[in-house]
Amino acid sequence: DAKTTQPNSMESNEEEPVHLPCNHSTISGTDYIHWYRQLPSQGPEYVIHGLTSNVNNRMASLAIAEDRKSSTLILHRATLRDAAVYYCILRSPGGQGGSEKLVFGKGMKLTVNP
Amino acid sequence: NAGVTQTPKFQVLKTGQSMTLQCAQDMNHEYMSWYRQDPGMGLRLIHYSVGAGITDQGEVPNGYNVSRSTTEDFPLRLLSAAPSQTSVYFCASSHGTNEQFFGPGTRLTVL
Repeated sequence: DAKTTQPNSMESNEEEPVHLPCNHSTISGTDYIHWYRQLPSQGPEYVIHGLTSNVNNRMASLAIAEDRKSSTLILHRATLRDAAVYYCILRSPGGQGGSEKLVFGKGMKLTVNP
Repeated sequence: NAGVTQTPKFQVLKTGQSMTLQCAQDMNHEYMSWYRQDPGMGLRLIHYSVGAGITDQGEVPNGYNVSRSTTEDFPLRLLSAAPSQTSVYFCASSHGTNEQFFGPGTRLTVL
C-alpha cells in the first residue's frame, strides 16, 4: 500500500487559514487522495478527496501538486470545531489486482487557538 | 437514509465469550469495512468486503471473522473474546473510491 507522511501536529489560530500538508511520493497513477478527520470522542468524518485536479467543497479545499507526490488540505477559516486529528490516505480504485481498502495512518493533530 | 448503523453501542464481555457486532447500511454500497480504535491510537483495519460474498483481511484480522451474505449487512464476529480486543469498533461503507461513511461505533470491553 502506498504510504503518506504527515506532521505529527500543527497549531493554528481561530479564523485564520490553515494548510495541512501530506507527502505521498509513492502514489500510483490511479490512487485517490482522501482526507478524513476525527473530532475528540467521535468517529471519523469525511472531509474531501481528489485524483488530479484541485477540489473544493463546503468544508475545505484540496490542492494537489502537479506530480501528485504531495497535497495540501486547506481550511479557509479555522474554527475551534476544526480541532481534530486529520488523516491523509491514499485509496486505489480496486480491480486489476488493486484494493479499495482505506488504511489509516497515525494522522496529524490540529490544535486551534482562540 | 439511516446511513451506517451499528449495534450494540456498548458491550461488556468476559474473556472467552463470543459475540457478533452488527453493521448495516442502506445506501447500496458495495464496499464495507471494520476498524478498531484503541485509546489514543489511530484506526486499524480488521476486515473489509468489496461486495456480497467477498471478504478480505485488513491489518489486524486475528481473532475476528466476517461474512457478507447481503449487500446491506457486514457482521463482525469475535469467536473467543480476549482483553486485548477491548476497543471501539467502527464500521464503514462506501461506493467505489468515494466518501466512506462511518457508523457511530461500538465500545467493547472484555474483562
